[in-house]
Amino acid sequence: EDQVTQSPEALRLQEGESSSLNCSYTVSGLRGLFWYRQDPGKGPEFLFTLYSAGEEKEKERLKATLTKKESFLHITAPKPEDSATYLCAVQAGTGTYKYIFGTGTRLKVLA
Amino acid sequence: DAGVTQSPTHLIKTRGQQVTLRCSPKSGHDTVSWYQQALGQGPQFIFQYYEEEERQRGNFPDRFSGHQFPNYSSELNVNALLLGDSALYLCASSPPSLTGYTFGSGTRLTVV
Repeated sequence: EDQVTQSPEALRLQEGESSSLNCSYTVSGLRGLFWYRQDPGKGPEFLFTLYSAGEEKEKERLKATLTKKESFLHITAPKPEDSATYLCAVQAGTGTYKYIFGTGTRLKVLA
Repeated sequence: DAGVTQSPTHLIKTRGQQVTLRCSPKSGHDTVSWYQQALGQGPQFIFQYYEEEERQRGNFPDRFSGHQFPNYSSELNVNALLLGDSALYLCASSPPSLTGYTFGSGTRLTVV
């Protein structure tokens, strides 16, 4: 069964303290891995799509990487406004359109 | 450019009632997907609509049904509401290339 696991569940960082969030996946035929940011009571906001192992994407303080088994979201010198839940999702298999989401990592950045 | 619009934003219903949630996709998007997100959980796929047909369905009972209109907007209907149906319902639209969803802000449904 396709599965996505995110760790840690929660993370508290001091402003400027860099860290990484992990998304490990077990799927047949990865078609895409997606990172989203979600603020409380809001819908997920798209960050990155990764398609193949070795691929990297960057946006401001965020950098996403992908291997054959997992993806990392690296946060460099975070600010309090980076506080949110970060969700990872995969799309896998032929002829399937659904995303399978992990349960997310709740990030809190302290000033 | 308006993104994905969902209505209503909040809703309180009684067990056994029926509810209809609405979604207008982002301009240029023709595919609409619905997800259920329980508190503290990741979104769970309900179904996807394309060309006014249900293209794929997740593991949800038949009480959950939907519709897509010619203008690509969509409705999610839930019959015989249960307490466990309380969740944030998210609509996501995507363009013909299927390169990633844009989500709406969701409808918070509370069943009492």
